[in-house]
Amino acid sequence: AQRVTQPEKLLSVFKGAPVELKCNYSYSGSPELFWYVQYSRQRLQLLLRHISRESIKGFTADLNKGETSFHLKKPFAQEEDSAMYYCALRGHSGYSTLTFGKGTMLLVSP
Amino acid sequence: ETGVTQSPTHLIKTRGQQVTLRCSSQSGHNTVSWYQQALGQGPQFIFQYYREEENGRGNFPPRFSGLQFPNYSSELNVNALELDDSALYLCASSSIQIMNTEAFFGQGTRLTVV
Repeated sequence: AQRVTQPEKLLSVFKGAPVELKCNYSYSGSPELFWYVQYSRQRLQLLLRHISRESIKGFTADLNKGETSFHLKKPFAQEEDSAMYYCALRGHSGYSTLTFGKGTMLLVSP
Repeated sequence: ETGVTQSPTHLIKTRGQQVTLRCSSQSGHNTVSWYQQALGQGPQFIFQYYREEENGRGNFPPRFSGLQFPNYSSELNVNALELDDSALYLCASSSIQIMNTEAFFGQGTRLTVV
């Protein structure tokens, strides 16, 4: 069975502080990992995916297969980063569905 | 608008009733997935439709059913509503032919069962 764990419900930091949102997964194979973000009153949207290896809005995430982790990081948080963040996994079961974690609320204070 | 649209945005139903939620997929997408997001939880996969057939199903009872139409839009039907069915229902569209396709989400339908 595939599972995504986000251990923190809430992460509160000050503007300019580094941020790390943790994500661990369980999957027997090579999954695709994603981070989705939901800003207040907006729809769920893709932030980044591990296969792209890109930085979006200053966020990066590295897939660590040994630790089965895909932590989201940003060196200097901004107030506009405040949102709900979901880590998600897509396996290779024949159809392209996502397994989500419970989400972490990031609050960035001035 | 070419993005994923869902209707209605909010809905209140009584326990035991039936409900139909609708989703229009993004232009060019042929696959629709439905998710249930209970309060404080992440989205949970209900089922996926491709070529008007169910193409995968999560751990949901048969009273959750769906349809996909030739224009790739979709419906989610829930019979015999229970209080625990109260949740945000999300629709996501993608293109199954495109490798590593991204799923685009609608804004959701907030269902309250009383």
